[in-house]
Amino acid sequence: SQELEQSPQSLIVQEGKNLTINCTSSKTLYGLYWYKQKYGEGLIFLMMLQKGGEEKSHEKITAKLDEKKQQSSLHITASQPSHAGIYLCGAEAGSNYKLTFGKGTLLTVNP
Amino acid sequence: NAGVTQTPKFQVLKTGQSMTLQCAQDMNHNSMYWYRQDPGMGLRLIYYSASEGTTDKGEVPNGYNVSRLNKREFSLRLESAAPSQTSVYFCASSGRTGGEQFFGPGTRLTVL
Repeated sequence: SQELEQSPQSLIVQEGKNLTINCTSSKTLYGLYWYKQKYGEGLIFLMMLQKGGEEKSHEKITAKLDEKKQQSSLHITASQPSHAGIYLCGAEAGSNYKLTFGKGTLLTVNP
Repeated sequence: NAGVTQTPKFQVLKTGQSMTLQCAQDMNHNSMYWYRQDPGMGLRLIYYSASEGTTDKGEVPNGYNVSRLNKREFSLRLESAAPSQTSVYFCASSGRTGGEQFFGPGTRLTVL
């Protein structure tokens, strides 16, 4: 079965700093999804990457997919307290659009 | 549109009690999913329904049953709750043509 490893597990940054979260798969990535979760709430979809080399951006968040490395990275530029939360990556694990998730990265942004 | 709704939001059970978690989506999605989220374990798939009338086991199905009542509703039942089922439960749905899943707000369940 596919496993996703996220690094780091947790991250504390000062407001305004840049940061990167990585998601590495044990198998070939066919579709990679990034979600954000605030404590006590559901997951909010951020971005989906499907092709090797694909890069997508939304506001100050950029995600890239490196197919050869079976890895995706999520980069936040000039972090803000509103970016704080848990970031999870999910990958398609076969048919029926089942997703396997990483364990998440807890991001704290100090003002 | 409400998206994906779940009831209840919180529940406390005693060991051995039963209960049903309800989930409904108004996006006309074919596929629906139940996950549990535990500290250090991430999100794990319990059961899913690829389309109305079908259900399949996920990664951690033991102790649970599901019913896809119609296209909108997908319920999760605990027949005899155990402390190991203390968790946050999330329902999600996705359309046939894409893998993006939309999540409900979750149900926090405590089994004493």
